[in-house]
Amino acid sequence: GESVGLHLPTLSVQEGDNSIINCAYSNSASDYFIWYKQESGKGPQFIIDIRSNMDKRQGQRVTVLLNKTVKHLSLQIAATQPGDSAVYFCAENMEGSARQLTFGSGTQLTVLP
Amino acid sequence: DGGITQSPKYLFRKEGQNVTLSCEQNLNHDAMYWYRQDPGQGLRLIYYSQIVNDFQKGDIAEGYSVSREKKESFPLTVTSAQKNPTAFYLCASRLQGSTGELFFGEGSRLTVL
Repeated sequence: GESVGLHLPTLSVQEGDNSIINCAYSNSASDYFIWYKQESGKGPQFIIDIRSNMDKRQGQRVTVLLNKTVKHLSLQIAATQPGDSAVYFCAENMEGSARQLTFGSGTQLTVLP
Repeated sequence: DGGITQSPKYLFRKEGQNVTLSCEQNLNHDAMYWYRQDPGQGLRLIYYSQIVNDFQKGDIAEGYSVSREKKESFPLTVTSAQKNPTAFYLCASRLQGSTGELFFGEGSRLTVL
């Protein structure tokens, strides 16, 4: 899962397996959450988002689960491919807060051949 | 195609020099943001702007300055007062200040020699 610090959590999976990346968010008032993918040397790319009135949302090969009781977010990637290797960030936002999304430190996903 | 363009992608600076990083978007987004990213860490907010001619400090604004004279442009100046400027800088925008995903540029990597 994600944590604040200098060393990224890492996750290694075999190609074709499913990946689960976890994130603990900090603000119980947050009502909007996003997962981003960042490849080395590039800007983050949007993967999927979810609002707090939902507990699950599915996209193409990805599913985000939200557990507000324990302030936990997860990203599931089905049939992981080499191109999925990247750092994955979760971000939280509180409605009405124009200020920012608050980002976790990220998880490095490595897909093994 | 619409998007966010950051330039330069790589920049080297001698100590004591100011440098300006460019960020231009043609997405017609109202809000723009600057983040700093250090290895193994999440994104930290430097400055953000919701409308033209207005901007607010983020968490780590010291040693940085911005301007928002046009809706499309939000340049960041890294001044000599910034003690540790070597980092990866990301510009982002979104349609409205308080909702929705952030769209990111490809980043600018600044190295102080």
